[in-house]
Amino acid sequence: QSVLTQPPSVSGAPGQRVTISCTGSSSNIGASYDVHWYQHLPGTAPKLLISGNTNRPSGVPDRFSGSKSGTSASLTITGLQAEDEADYYCQSYDSSLSGVVFGGGTKLTVL
Amino acid sequence: QVQLVQSGAEVKKPGASVKVSCKASGYTFANYGVHWVRQAPGQRLEWMGWINAGKGNTKYSQNFQDRVTITRDTSASTAYLELSSLRSEDTAVYYCARAYSGSYLGWIDPWGQGTQVTVSS
Repeated sequence: QSVLTQPPSVSGAPGQRVTISCTGSSSNIGASYDVHWYQHLPGTAPKLLISGNTNRPSGVPDRFSGSKSGTSASLTITGLQAEDEADYYCQSYDSSLSGVVFGGGTKLTVL
Repeated sequence: QVQLVQSGAEVKKPGASVKVSCKASGYTFANYGVHWVRQAPGQRLEWMGWINAGKGNTKYSQNFQDRVTITRDTSASTAYLELSSLRSEDTAVYYCARAYSGSYLGWIDPWGQGTQVTVSS
C-alpha cells in the first residue's frame, strides 16, 4: 500500500488528453514536498518526465505537464501518441516515514 | 553524458546476501547522492535507500532498515547495495539512480539499466 495514491489505469485515444492523479497527505505532498513524475516502459529504466511539480527536463515533449495543489498532484498528457503507452509513477518525500515514496503507478493504455 | 552502469544478474538462495554495484560516469560522483529503487514482478517502484556519495551518510527505508547496507567507493565512482537474509519476495529488478543533488530530496535522474536479482532454492 503506497502513501501516494494513483489510479491503477487510465486510457485514451490518440490525440486525446489524459490526466493522472497522485493523492497524498499532510506528511508528503501537503507538507510542501515536491512531486516528480516518471515514465516507465517494461524492461527499461524509468525516465524523469516532470521535476519539481511542473518542470519539464530537456528533451521531454511539451505534451507532458504537471501541477500540484494541496495534497494532490497531477500529470497531464495532451495529444496522446501510441508511444506514450507506459506506466507512470509520482514520487515525493514523506516526513512520517522519513523516506522517499512512490505512488502505486498508473498504466496508460492508448486505445 | 551522465551514465550509471550496474552489475549483472544474480541468482541467490534464500537466506543468502547479494551485493549489486553501480558505476557512475560523466559527472563528479562525490557531488551527488545515489538512490536504490527496486521493482518486484507486477509491483510498483519501491525506494530502498540513499547515500551521499561524498560524505557517505545514508538513509534507509523503514521496510529494509535491518537488511540493507548502501556503501560507496569514491575512488571508483561506484555505489553498492547489499541486501541480506534474502527471501523469494526479494526477487526483483534493482535500480540505482542519481539524486538531483547531495540530498535525498528532489528528483531522481538518470537511472541505471537495472539488475535482476532472483531468489530461488
